[in-house]
Amino acid sequence: EDQVTQSPEALRLQEGESSSLNCSYTVSGLRGLFWYRQDPGKGPEFLFTLYSAGEEKEKERLKATLTKKESFLHITAPKPEDSATYLCAAGSSASKIIFGSGTRLSIRP
Amino acid sequence: DAGVTQSPTHLIKTRGQQVTLRCSPKSGHDTVSWYQQALGQGPQFIFQYYEEEERQRGNFPDRFSGHQFPNYSSELNVNALLLGDSALYLCASSQGRGNQPQHFGDGTRLSIL
Repeated sequence: EDQVTQSPEALRLQEGESSSLNCSYTVSGLRGLFWYRQDPGKGPEFLFTLYSAGEEKEKERLKATLTKKESFLHITAPKPEDSATYLCAAGSSASKIIFGSGTRLSIRP
Repeated sequence: DAGVTQSPTHLIKTRGQQVTLRCSPKSGHDTVSWYQQALGQGPQFIFQYYEEEERQRGNFPDRFSGHQFPNYSSELNVNALLLGDSALYLCASSQGRGNQPQHFGDGTRLSIL
């Protein structure tokens, strides 16, 4: 069964303290790994798409990487405005997109 | 450039009633997907519409149905509402079929009393 698992569920960091969020996936015929940011009361905001192992994408303080079983979202020197829930989703060969439960990230000033 | 818009933003219904939620996709997008998001969980895929037909469906009962119109806008209908249907319902649009990046609206918060 297709499954996406994110860890940790919640992460509290001090401003400037770098860390990584993990997304493990078991999907038949991966057709894209997606990262989204979701703020309270809002819909998910698209960040990155990764298609093949070894691929990396960067945007400001965020960098996403992909292996055959996992994806990581690295956050470098985070700021309080980076606080949000980060969602990972995998696209399957059946054209379905499966989301993980997300990581709630809190950055303290 | 307008993004994905959903209406209404909030809705309160009672058990057994029926509800219709509406979605207008981002300009240039022709595919609409619907998701249910419970509090503290990730979105769960309900179904996807392309060329006015349901193309993919998640593990949701037949009480959940939808429609896509020629202008690509879409409706989600839920019949015989249950308490467990209380959730945030998200609409996402993308361009073409397959696993393309999706752009989400801010959802409709449905509460069942």
